[in-house]
Amino acid sequence: AQKVTQAQTEISVVEKEDVTLDCVYETRDTTYYLFWYKQPPSGELVFLIRRNSFDEQNEISGRYSWNFQKSTSSFNFTITASQVVDSAVYFCALLWNSGNTPLVFGKGTRLSVIA
Amino acid sequence: DTEVTQTPKHLVMGMTNKKSLKCEQHMGHRAMYWYKQKAKKPPELMFVYSYEKLSINESVPSRFSPECPNSSLLNLHLHALQPEDSALYLCASSQDPGGHTKYEQYFGPGTRLTVT
Repeated sequence: AQKVTQAQTEISVVEKEDVTLDCVYETRDTTYYLFWYKQPPSGELVFLIRRNSFDEQNEISGRYSWNFQKSTSSFNFTITASQVVDSAVYFCALLWNSGNTPLVFGKGTRLSVIA
Repeated sequence: DTEVTQTPKHLVMGMTNKKSLKCEQHMGHRAMYWYKQKAKKPPELMFVYSYEKLSINESVPSRFSPECPNSSLLNLHLHALQPEDSALYLCASSQDPGGHTKYEQYFGPGTRLTVT
C-alpha cells in the first residue's frame, strides 16, 4: 500500500523559532518521488520540493531544509527562523513510478507562526 | 512561468444549475488534473488527463463531467450538484505523464464552490 503519514496535525511556534514537520511514507516501489507543498490561507498549493528515491542528498533552500532518510522512510522538513508568512498547511506527498498513478497526500500539518 | 490559472475564483450555484470551471496552463504540460478539497482535508484526486485523453477517473459521480479541449485547457462541467459537493476545486498540471520520471504538479488557486 502507498501511504503518507503526517503525525503532527497542528504546530504552533513563536517567530524566529526553528520547526520540523515530520513525514513518514510507505511504498512497495523501489522508485518513487516525494514532495512537499505549502497551502497558505489563500488556498493555492505551492510546490516546494521534489525528491527522487534514488537521491538521498539532503537539500537546503534559504530557510528551508529537507532531510530524506530511506532507512526510516522519512522525509522531514525544517524551517529555520520561522516567520509569520510561513503560517500555512504543509502537505507531504508520494508518487510512485508504476504507470500513471495519483499523488498520495498526507493529511497535512497546520503551522501557525506567532509574532 | 509556472502558472496555472482557474476561473472563476468563487462560484455559488443552486442544485438545478449547470456551470463550468475552467483551468488553463501554458507550460507545455501534457497531464492535467482535477482535485476536490474539503476543509481541513488533503486534496482528493478526481480526474487525470494525459495527452488530452482521460486516463484516471476516481469513481466520481456523473454530475461532474471533465473535458480537455486542448493541451492547455481543462474544464469541469457541473450539473445537478448536491450541497455536499461544496468544496475547493483545484486544477493542476505536470509534464511528461507517461515518462520514466515523475514530475511535480503545479496547482492553480482553485475555485471555491458553494452549492445551495
